[in-house]
Amino acid sequence: KAGVTQTPRYLIKTRGQQVTLSCSPISGHRSVSWYQQTPGQGLQFLFEYFSETQRNKGNFPGRFSGRQFSNSRSEMNVSTLELGDSALYLCASSLHRQETQYFGPGTRLLVL
Amino acid sequence: KNQVEQSPQSLIILEGKNCTLQCNYTVSPFSNLRWYKQDTGRGPVSLTIMTFSENTKSNGRYTATLDADTKQSSLHITASQLSDSASYICVVSPPNYDKVIFGPGTSLSVIP
Repeated sequence: KAGVTQTPRYLIKTRGQQVTLSCSPISGHRSVSWYQQTPGQGLQFLFEYFSETQRNKGNFPGRFSGRQFSNSRSEMNVSTLELGDSALYLCASSLHRQETQYFGPGTRLLVL
Repeated sequence: KNQVEQSPQSLIILEGKNCTLQCNYTVSPFSNLRWYKQDTGRGPVSLTIMTFSENTKSNGRYTATLDADTKQSSLHITASQLSDSASYICVVSPPNYDKVIFGPGTSLSVIP
């Protein structure tokens, strides 16, 4: 069974631009969560989606948004990019909520 | 105050030696406590997952213990290998599907 895939793997943007990241969960998994990881802050929770509904949201500004489709694939969008948004964005899927999560390789975003 | 703390922040050990990593948490009760291993530049991989009522869980050379009275969990690595060099992250899931809480991680380096 294929693992969690994330696209693109690397991305360079400039301040003020917006970006959309994509995550395809493991087949059959219905829960998808997004995380931001930076050297200074470690792993921080962004959102959790289950059955196309956002179930939890971390402490991030409204510039960060996401959605989940009927096939459980998920996207996250960051608008008006700031330098501090440079990070590794990780997506994780699980069969159901609060079960073992399987992480994708991440999308490394660099904002110049 | 962080609800999940880990110690030490970093650790260097010789190949073949054992080591123990600590996780202290204030979230109580919780749905489950997990230990993840994260290699540099890759997504975390689940090592163990324990419910509130469990006190030990093994995965090969990795053994996690849980003491609900002292609110501590430990990850013991036996006969360390060079490939154990990674960051080890403790994650607590509060009850009622509330958002997960990550520890800051322990960076382990295994040297020949």
